Amino acid sequence: DQQVKQNSPSLSVQEGRISILNCDYTNSMFDYFLWYKKYPAEGPTFLISISSIKDKNEDGRFTVFLNKSAKHLSLHIVPSQPGDSAVYFCAASNNNNDMRFGAGTRLTVKP
Amino acid sequence: GAVVSQHPSRVICKSGTSVKIECRSLDFQATTMFWYRQFPKQSLMLMATSNEGSKATYEQGVEKDKFLINHASLTLSTLTVTSAHPEDSSFYICSASPGRTEAFFGQGTRLTVV
Repeated sequence: DQQVKQNSPSLSVQEGRISILNCDYTNSMFDYFLWYKKYPAEGPTFLISISSIKDKNEDGRFTVFLNKSAKHLSLHIVPSQPGDSAVYFCAASNNNNDMRFGAGTRLTVKP
Repeated sequence: GAVVSQHPSRVICKSGTSVKIECRSLDFQATTMFWYRQFPKQSLMLMATSNEGSKATYEQGVEKDKFLINHASLTLSTLTVTSAHPEDSSFYICSASPGRTEAFFGQGTRLTVV
């Protein structure tokens, strides 16, 4: 049962443009959401998070938007840089410390 | 930032042998640790969730007798792949969580079974 879904396995963006990565979840008990970035042969590293009491959280070039009614969140990267090329995972957690990850989206930023 | 150390980073073993992978939280106590397997098409599959001092909760389809998880302390969890076969070859990643708003990942272990 895939409770967190990233329907786009890959995304290609030109350097300087906006990258938008999407994530959907099915379990309404999730109330905290995170994005992780992963390079090959390394563990994921935390990028940005958002609580369900907010609809937007911004950190530099990275902004996460949360639409609770649609059970949808997105990560915006502006402007995109070649070093942003990686696999991005979204994750959702609930108050039982249950954390689920999406399957990941491979972002390629072309120079 | 918080550090999670996973060891070994690479291991090659013969078919039929067992391999143990360690996951340590170096500067915080992890109430929960997670074990993941990454498949070739990048997807990260949760294998099991373990809480210190109790039995791990395995995801559907994961053989608990094959993938033994021990969460002996608040800073250490181990995954033992028993009677490994070539199809067990994969990239295994642990994460440790001091609470539900954070999870820190180990560097991953590339297991190759020959």
